[in-house]
Amino acid sequence: QVQLQESGPGLVKPSETLSLTCSVSGDSISTYYWSWIRQPPGKGLEWIGNIYYTGKTSYNPSLKSRVSISVDTSKNQFSLEMTSVTAADTAFYYCARASRGYGGYRLDFWGQGTLVTVSS
Amino acid sequence: DIQMTQSPSSVPASVGDRVIITCRASQHISTWLAWYQQKPGKAPNLLVYGASSLQAGVPSRFSGSGFGTNFTLTISSLQPEDFATYYCQQADISPFTFGPGTRVDVK
Repeated sequence: QVQLQESGPGLVKPSETLSLTCSVSGDSISTYYWSWIRQPPGKGLEWIGNIYYTGKTSYNPSLKSRVSISVDTSKNQFSLEMTSVTAADTAFYYCARASRGYGGYRLDFWGQGTLVTVSS
Repeated sequence: DIQMTQSPSSVPASVGDRVIITCRASQHISTWLAWYQQKPGKAPNLLVYGASSLQAGVPSRFSGSGFGTNFTLTISSLQPEDFATYYCQQADISPFTFGPGTRVDVK
């Protein structure tokens, strides 16, 4: 069974950089796409972007100037960096596996999520 | 970006009810649509992909349909564990945008 686990600081100061890592077990990261999604408390879901093990990325244009997703195949992990954060970036951040092909893109395994609060 | 809307935003329902949730895309997306269920404090869970394909392990009381811009998720007989928020997501073009969600709560 595929399992994903987010890790990283739960509190980030305004204007600083948010950094999260997703550790994948039960599957090789050298298959599928790997995604980040966020959800402000009490609100809806926002797709941030994804990465293929080759390093090919795709980002939400609304965040593209501040976001970078990277992959470390040796550790079976992928990571998110978001620069110049503000209070509007306070959210639960989820990592997920993205399957493509027949049936189209879908997020079929998710981490439990981690709350990141932006505050001084 | 493709914009996704859902209706209703909330639906009061009782156990045993048939519940239908609608999702609309701002442009044609063929059958590239997924549905997720989210319970409070939990990550979303994939229910349906390709508009109508049931994800492995999902009960058969859930079904999806639609093509183009109009899609539905149907729960044929609501069970206690189905009270949750449901999101659609277009799976056609990046960014893979979500609908705003539909909350199914107790009537």
